Amino acid sequence: DAKTTQPTSMDCAEGRAANLPCNHSTISGNEYVYWYRQIHSQGPQYIIHGLKNNETNEMASLIITEDRKSSTLILPHATLRDTAVYYCIVRGAGGTSYGKLTFGQGTILTVHP
Amino acid sequence: DAGITQSPRHKVTETGTPVTLRCHQTENHRYMYWYRQDPGHGLRLIHYSYGVKDTDKGEVSDGYSVSRSKTEDFLLTLESATSSQTSVYFCAINPGNRNLNTEAFFGQGTRLTVV
Repeated sequence: DAKTTQPTSMDCAEGRAANLPCNHSTISGNEYVYWYRQIHSQGPQYIIHGLKNNETNEMASLIITEDRKSSTLILPHATLRDTAVYYCIVRGAGGTSYGKLTFGQGTILTVHP
Repeated sequence: DAGITQSPRHKVTETGTPVTLRCHQTENHRYMYWYRQDPGHGLRLIHYSYGVKDTDKGEVSDGYSVSRSKTEDFLLTLESATSSQTSVYFCAINPGNRNLNTEAFFGQGTRLTVV
């Protein structure tokens, strides 16, 4: 499985954009990048995913570099309710890893007033 | 929210007793997953199912068994609970058309304490 590397923690001021980086240098051509977040002890919440093109939805934007070795999740106007652990996941595309979501430690994002 | 219900939401049980956790979905999704979450380990896959009566092991399957007799229900059983199985358990579902371009949705979790 392709591994991901994320900073352990980040801070962001309320109302500002939060940019969460993720490195996935061993990603293969047909593997998608997924982002989830987890608030307190709730179930992980899907945010966005992409293959090679940049993606945007009502929650966030996902910027994937041309070589696909890294990506950035952007929350355009962070609020206090966006404080959570954010997981960057490369979804398995081969063999016994097909379709599986393998979670790492994630980034603890703290949005402060 | 995706139609996923986990039951019970909280359970305390004694070491050595059998425990069954239930995941029920109303989305008719093919794939279902059981994860556990522990401090310092994030979410780890226990077992998953890719159809009725079709299941496979994840990375931390020892001590757990699963069953899927119908599309909507995925049961996780601890045959003889141990303290190391104290954890928060999450179920997830996915449309599972073997397409990686579909998101998985998670339940709210079951907090299990083995004393």
